[in-house]
Formats: sequence, structure tokens, C-alpha cells
Amino acid sequence: EVQILESGGGLVQPGGSLRLSCAASGFTSSDSAIIWVRQAPGKGLEWVSGIGVRVDNIYYADSVKGRFTISRDTPKNTVYLQMSSLRVEDTAVYYCAKGRGSGWNGGDTWGQGTLVTVSS
Amino acid sequence: DVQMTQSPSSLSASVGDRVTITCRASQGIHNYLAWFQQKPGKAPKSLIYHASNLQSGVPSKFSGSGSGTDFTLTISDLQPEDFASYYCQQYDHYPLTFGGGTKVEIK
Repeated sequence: EVQILESGGGLVQPGGSLRLSCAASGFTSSDSAIIWVRQAPGKGLEWVSGIGVRVDNIYYADSVKGRFTISRDTPKNTVYLQMSSLRVEDTAVYYCAKGRGSGWNGGDTWGQGTLVTVSS
Repeated sequence: DVQMTQSPSSLSASVGDRVTITCRASQGIHNYLAWFQQKPGKAPKSLIYHASNLQSGVPSKFSGSGSGTDFTLTISDLQPEDFASYYCQQYDHYPLTFGGGTKVEIK
């Protein structure tokens, strides 16, 4: 069964760092595009970052560019989102999702999400 | 960036009704549009990709159509489990962008 499990969320002070993990099971994450999407409390969905099958296919939303880094650990079948210089407005539930085929293509599987709270 | 305008932002409907949600892109996106369902406190669920293709396991009461800039999601025979929020997303261009969402409530 294809599953995604996010972890790593928590409470962090403004300016701090956090690393989120997106562990894949039932599929090889390096054969799929993976994206991160966040949802601030009471708000809609916002795409944050994505990584394609090719190493050079990495994308970021302007709101996180230069502060967040997406990466993949193929042996661990895990994708990471390293978040630094965190701001109060980064507070959200962060979801990881798997693409269809080798691209995003609307995706097909989502994790349950992990909550990041940035507050002093 | 491609702006996605979804309407209405909310609607009230009764069990058994048929409802239609509209999503408009600020520029042509071919058919690179997906629809997602989200229930309170839960992760989004993929419903439709490439504008009109149902994800595996999604019932045929959900249907999508459109191409270019105008798209629709139709839900037939609304059941209690269908009351949720629905989002469109374009994936023709980065950054990927979502519509603002439509909350479908029970009348």
C-alpha cells in the first residue's frame, strides 16, 4: 500500500529552524515527484516546494525561497524540507504529497500532515 | 504566476442535490488542472487530474471538465460524506497554485 508519513513538526521560535521528513512506503520516492503544501490555520492550501525525479528539478514558492531547502535521501526513501529563518507566518500544517508518474500531474497520495508553530 | 479563481467560496446544498464549482485560470493551462477534497482536520484527497480524469477509487458522482482557462467540478447526488471543502490546482506552470477553495455545506 502506498503511504506517506510526515514528521518533524513542532514549536519553534521566530528565526529558528526545523526539518520536516516525508517518509515513503509502498513506492520509491526517487521515482516520483514530491511536493510540500501548507495550510495556515483557517486558510486555504499553499504550495511550498517540489522535487522532481531529476535532481535539478527543484522548485520553491517565492515566500520560502532562500529559507527552505528540499532534498531527497534515496536509501532512506525520504524527502526532507529544511526550514530556516522561520517566521510567524510560516505557522501551518505541512503536507507532503506524491505525484502521478514521474511528474506532479495532480498527485495521488497525501500524508496526514505535521503542524509547525512559529511563536515566541 | 497563474492565479486560480474559484467560485463560489461557499454553497449550501441538500442531500441528493447536484452542485457545480467553477475554477478560472488567469492564463491558459491546457488541461493541467486537479481537484481536491478536504474534510475538517484531515489531509486533502486527490479527486481528479488532467481536468477530467478520476483518481482511482473516486466514485463517478464526481466529474470534471474544461480546458484552457475555465474548469468545473460537478458532484451529483450529494451525500453527507461529500460535505467538505474543494480546491482546484493548476500544474501547468510553477509555482503551482490553488484556488481559494469552496466549502460545501448542508442546507
